[in-house]
Amino acid sequence: GQNIDQPTEMTATEGAIVQINCTYQTSGFNGLFWYQQHAGEAPTFLSYNVLDGLEEKGRFSSFLSRSKGYSYLLLKELQMKDSASYLCAVRPLSYNTDKLIFGTGTRLQVFP
Amino acid sequence: NAGVTQTPKFQVLKTGQSMTLQCAQDMNHEYMSWYRQDPGMGLRLIHYSVGAGITDQGEVPNGYNVSRSTTEDFPLRLLSAAPSQTSVYFCASSPTGGDNEKLFFGSGTQLSVL
Repeated sequence: GQNIDQPTEMTATEGAIVQINCTYQTSGFNGLFWYQQHAGEAPTFLSYNVLDGLEEKGRFSSFLSRSKGYSYLLLKELQMKDSASYLCAVRPLSYNTDKLIFGTGTRLQVFP
Repeated sequence: NAGVTQTPKFQVLKTGQSMTLQCAQDMNHEYMSWYRQDPGMGLRLIHYSVGAGITDQGEVPNGYNVSRSTTEDFPLRLLSAAPSQTSVYFCASSPTGGDNEKLFFGSGTQLSVL
């Protein structure tokens, strides 16, 4: 079956660094996405990884290890506006209905 | 560009009623899709379309119909609403549905079925 695991909730302090982990078991692998979703709003794209390694984009970085079925999203210099849910999504190799499998999301709360 | 526009933002239905959730995009995207988001569960794909005149089922299609008569519009129809369809619905699009393409989401429709 298809499964994505990420922590339900995390808390951190403004200015700190936080790492949100995502592990996946899917029928093949064809890319991993991270989306940010503020409460009551639509998800917005943060990053995409298809090869092993670290992709850096400003304060946000995303890492992928395909052999371990593992990714993390690293948020540096946390700001209050980073309080949101972070969704990990994997694109399996199946050509049926599973075009993109989403995890349940990690709700991050940033405190002053 | 308005991006992906969904209407309505909120809707309350009685069991058995039917309704249509509207979705339109002005980015000339070929790929459009509908997701539902429930507490404790990830976004789940209901139906998707890779172009005008082409639709296909996602993970949870039962109780929903879609059509794609134009590139811009992708309405989702609830045939006979049930309390289990209470959820937040998101429409999303991407240029071609390619594996490395990010999804652009609409602002969502919060639906309650009583």
